[in-house]
Amino acid sequence: GDSVTQMEGPVTLSEEAFLTINCTYTATGYPSLFWYVQYPGEGLQLLLKATKADDKGSNKGFEATYRKETTSFHLEKGSVQVSDSAVYFCALETGGFKTIFGAGTRLFVKA
Amino acid sequence: SAVISQKPSRDICQRGTSLTIQCQVDSQVTMMFWYRQQPGQSLTLIATANQGSEATYESGFVIDKFPISRPNLTFSTLTVSNMSPEDSSIYLCSVVVRESNEKLFFGSGTQLSVL
Repeated sequence: GDSVTQMEGPVTLSEEAFLTINCTYTATGYPSLFWYVQYPGEGLQLLLKATKADDKGSNKGFEATYRKETTSFHLEKGSVQVSDSAVYFCALETGGFKTIFGAGTRLFVKA
Repeated sequence: SAVISQKPSRDICQRGTSLTIQCQVDSQVTMMFWYRQQPGQSLTLIATANQGSEATYESGFVIDKFPISRPNLTFSTLTVSNMSPEDSSIYLCSVVVRESNEKLFFGSGTQLSVL
C-alpha cells in the first residue's frame, strides 16, 4: 500500500544552520505531496505542497521538490531559527483527500 | 482558512467508559475526517465522516468502537467506546473547506489518557 518514510528525529541544530529532513514515498498513481508542521501546543498546519513531478513547494523559507525519479520530497531550509522548532510531517494524498502521514521528525533549534 | 473547535482538549478516563469528542467548524466544509495519533507515532486515519449517513471506516477501525456522527456540514462527533489504555492517543478532526478545496485543516486535537 501507499506509505511515507521520513528520517527519524530528533534533529538538533544551531540557529542559522542548514536543515534537511528526508522523505521518501511509495504510491500507486501520482500523489500530491505535503509537509505539515506541528508547533508545540498547536494543531497541524500545512507548510507546503507539490502536486506534480518537479514542482517545488515553498513557504516561510522552507522548500521541497517533488522528485518522481527518486520518489522523494525532502524538506530544506537554508537558515533555521529557534521558532522553527516543531514536529514536521511528510504526507501524501492519492485522492479524495485521504492523507497518509510519515512518522514525523522533531526539530530542536538552539540559540 | 477554517477555525476548528475541538472539545474536550484533553481528558483522563477510566477503562471501560466512553468519551465523545466534538468537532465544530466555522466554515462550510466538503469533507471531515477523524485521525488518531498514538504516542510517538504518526497520524492514522480512522474514518471519513459523511453528512447524514454512516461514516466510512479505514481498515482496522470499526463503527462499534468508534461511532461517528455528522448531522450537518459543520459538526461531527467521534466516540471512543469501551476504552482501554491502548486507546490513549491524540484524536484529531480535520476538514476540507468548501472555499479552499486544496488542503486539509486540522483541529488542535483531544489528548485522551485511559487509566
